[in-house]
Amino acid sequence: KAGVTQTPRYLIKTRGQQVTLSCSPISGHRSVSWYQQTPGQGLQFLFEYFSETQRNKGNFPGRFSGRQFSNSRSEMNVSTLELGDSALYLCASRLGTGTTYEQYFGPGTRLTVT
Amino acid sequence: ELKVEQNPLFLSMQEGKNYTIYCNYSTTSDRLYWYRQDPGKSLESLFVLLSNGAVKQEGRLMASLDTKARLSTLHITAAVHDLSATYFCAVDGAQKLVFGQGTRLTINP
Repeated sequence: KAGVTQTPRYLIKTRGQQVTLSCSPISGHRSVSWYQQTPGQGLQFLFEYFSETQRNKGNFPGRFSGRQFSNSRSEMNVSTLELGDSALYLCASRLGTGTTYEQYFGPGTRLTVT
Repeated sequence: ELKVEQNPLFLSMQEGKNYTIYCNYSTTSDRLYWYRQDPGKSLESLFVLLSNGAVKQEGRLMASLDTKARLSTLHITAAVHDLSATYFCAVDGAQKLVFGQGTRLTINP
């Protein structure tokens, strides 16, 4: 069974630009969550989508947004990039929402903002 | 608000020694994870602990969970260089994982 895939794996953008990252969950998984990892703030939850609906959102500005498609694939978008947005963005999928289901992480997208 | 604290944050060990990483969390949860992360890589799942008193072992690593004390431990036995990595615990807070700060483990020959 294929794992969680994320594209692209690496990305370099300039301040002020916007970026879209993609995540394909494990087949059959309907929940997708996004996390940001930075050296200063550690691993922080961005948002979770389940059945195309945002279920939970972390404490991030409105420049960070996401969506989920009917095939459970998810995208996250960051507009007006700032230097502090440089991070490893991790996507995780699980069968359903709630603690009953284990989360599985993808390889991550490394975003560098210059 | 769920908070997760790990200690120590940095750990330098000699090969062959034993040590323990501690993970405290502030509110009850049904599930606790331990992950390993190598530099520049994603999170590798080590253990999922589901109930009070749960103990899991894989090779030189053993994890345990005490839900009453809200404490999990990751014990390393007879450390080897290949175990050098950053280790995270994470508590499942319903719709999101809350991570500890991570413990950077360096094992010296």
